[in-house]
Amino acid sequence: SAVISQKPSRDICQRGTSLTIQCQVDSQVTMMFWYRQQPGQSLTLIATANQGSEATYESGFVIDKFPISRPNLTFSTLTVSNMSPEDSSIYLCSVFHGTGDGYTFGSGTRLTVV
Amino acid sequence: DAKTTQPPSMDCAEGRAANLPCNHSTISGNEYVYWYRQIHSQGPQYIIHGLKNNETNEMASLIITEDRKSSTLILPHATLRDTAVYYCIVINNAGNMLTFGGGTRLMVKP
Repeated sequence: SAVISQKPSRDICQRGTSLTIQCQVDSQVTMMFWYRQQPGQSLTLIATANQGSEATYESGFVIDKFPISRPNLTFSTLTVSNMSPEDSSIYLCSVFHGTGDGYTFGSGTRLTVV
Repeated sequence: DAKTTQPPSMDCAEGRAANLPCNHSTISGNEYVYWYRQIHSQGPQYIIHGLKNNETNEMASLIITEDRKSSTLILPHATLRDTAVYYCIVINNAGNMLTFGGGTRLMVKP
């Protein structure tokens, strides 16, 4: 299965600023996803990052707040824009390999907004 | 997409088998059952998966009922390091995993 490098691993940010999270995969993958995990909660899918086209967002998530880039099949970024304390969460990227190996997840970015 | 139901928490004595149940009564014929675990808010780690046959690997065994409406993850000899949140999810060939349930928080006690 793929190895995912996610950066930064954690950050403390000021209210109103933006943070861009990077996800680098060691092999080409078609399907890449971004998740949010709020404190004490399960994972919630934010969007599917599509290579060469706009990301597909889940209900409750919008591009203006969470812009996503996917310039190639090994890299994606998620930006958390105009942050508020409610955005304090762990953000994870994930790739899908097919039903043989399922999903691999990055180690996550722990974001605290003050 | 099928949803899963798991007990929110379970305890297990160290060295004993941990049996974690999952209900997925609306699973479709082309959906696989996957189990992941998450330790200390790290990224979820793959454990095992299956379609309809029972499966075993070096980490665990997966028992799927004949009607595929439920499954059980078995950790044969639980250790303290198995303390984690265990997620049961269903995935189809397209990889559309929209629902990540609450998981089971397994506490392995000495």
